[in-house]
Amino acid sequence: GQQVMQIPQYQHVQEGEDFTTYCNSSTTLSNIQWYKQRPGGHPVFLIQLVKSGEVKKQKRLTFQFGEAKKNSSLHITATQTTDVGTYFCAGLRASGGSYIPTFGRGTSLIVHP
Amino acid sequence: DSGVTQTPKHLITATGQRVTLRCSPRSGDLSVYWYQQSLDQGLQFLIQYYNGEERAKGNILERFSAQQFPDLHSELNLSSLELGDSALYFCASSVRGSGEKLFFGSGTQLSVL
Repeated sequence: GQQVMQIPQYQHVQEGEDFTTYCNSSTTLSNIQWYKQRPGGHPVFLIQLVKSGEVKKQKRLTFQFGEAKKNSSLHITATQTTDVGTYFCAGLRASGGSYIPTFGRGTSLIVHP
Repeated sequence: DSGVTQTPKHLITATGQRVTLRCSPRSGDLSVYWYQQSLDQGLQFLIQYYNGEERAKGNILERFSAQQFPDLHSELNLSSLELGDSALYFCASSVRGSGEKLFFGSGTQLSVL
């Protein structure tokens, strides 16, 4: 079945440094979603990418969807302590007529002040 | 606050027991999803319901079952519990049930002793 791999598993950065997490799928994805989970919290939707080669920005966050729709990345510029959390990508997988988000293992971002 | 309500927040039980987790979706959402989050497996999709009907099934064990009621709330039943079932169980909801962003509840932390 479809697997969504995410690297790195953990990333320590100094506040102000940039951060990138990568997501790769073994099969072509219809869409990809990104979520953020703060420590002790629940996943919160950030964005959905649909088109091949799509790039979307949210303030300091830049999301990309690969040309082949098999990979995606999230880049955070000039990290802040409020960026701490685990970032998940979720590839949408067809199942029983629905497209269900299949989550990667996530990248935990630790920001040192 | 996502608008998705899960109860209870914490559950401690013994091996072999049966528990029921409850979820109320956001007002207007017809679809409910159940995910299991553990340290070694990440966020695993269990099952999805749409307007009372099962729509998609993931890695749900035969000891687990779920249903969605006419008022759209959902229950996840876990029976013959094992130590390995200890995890955080999330419910999420969406409007139509395919290819949309998910709104997650705060989860039920299950500890099987």
